[in-house]
Amino acid sequence: TQLLEQSPQFLSIQEGENLTVYCNSSSVFSSLQWYRQEPGEGPVLLVTVVTGGEVKKLKRLTFQFGDARKDSSLHITAAQPGDTGLYLCAGGYQKVTFGIGTKLQVIP
Amino acid sequence: EADIYQTPRYLVIGTGKKITLECSQTMGHDKMYWYQQDPGMELHLIHYSYGVNSTEKGDLSSESTVSRIRTEHFPLTLESARPSHTSQYLCASSEGDRGYGYTFGSGTRLTVV
Repeated sequence: TQLLEQSPQFLSIQEGENLTVYCNSSSVFSSLQWYRQEPGEGPVLLVTVVTGGEVKKLKRLTFQFGDARKDSSLHITAAQPGDTGLYLCAGGYQKVTFGIGTKLQVIP
Repeated sequence: EADIYQTPRYLVIGTGKKITLECSQTMGHDKMYWYQQDPGMELHLIHYSYGVNSTEKGDLSSESTVSRIRTEHFPLTLESARPSHTSQYLCASSEGDRGYGYTFGSGTRLTVV
């Protein structure tokens, strides 16, 4: 089983601050996905990264896939209260594995 | 907008009752999945289907069953609910290779008393 470890598990920051959350594994993944989940809702796909070293931007969110395709990071610039939620990474081909997630709270 | 629908959103039932959680998608995806999610825990795959009349059990042992008679419909049934079945159940679908992400429904929050 391929395991994905996410850190930190909890993060509480002030509006306007920058932050980075991580997704790490000892296994190589063909692709990794990032999702955001709000309370009482299902996860919503934000991005898929496929190529080692790949960087994708989604407005204030920057996603990076490690060169060895074993890790990924999500950087948020100037966080806003609307960014509050659970950020999940997932990866795998035949069997998708999900991390436990980073619970982010952005305080106005 | 969500193209995958789960009903009911919330359900509280007594022990021993039979229940069916509904999941329908309008995207024509062949692959559909059921996940179980508990607070502070990762999503666990309990069932999946690669097409009509194809169903498989996932990694997490579950007493539930599923059926896939139509492409768009993937219901999950518990023959006799128990308090240990209390959880959030999420349905998802994907197009082609699983490596390119899922579309999830809003989930069913099940409480068995």
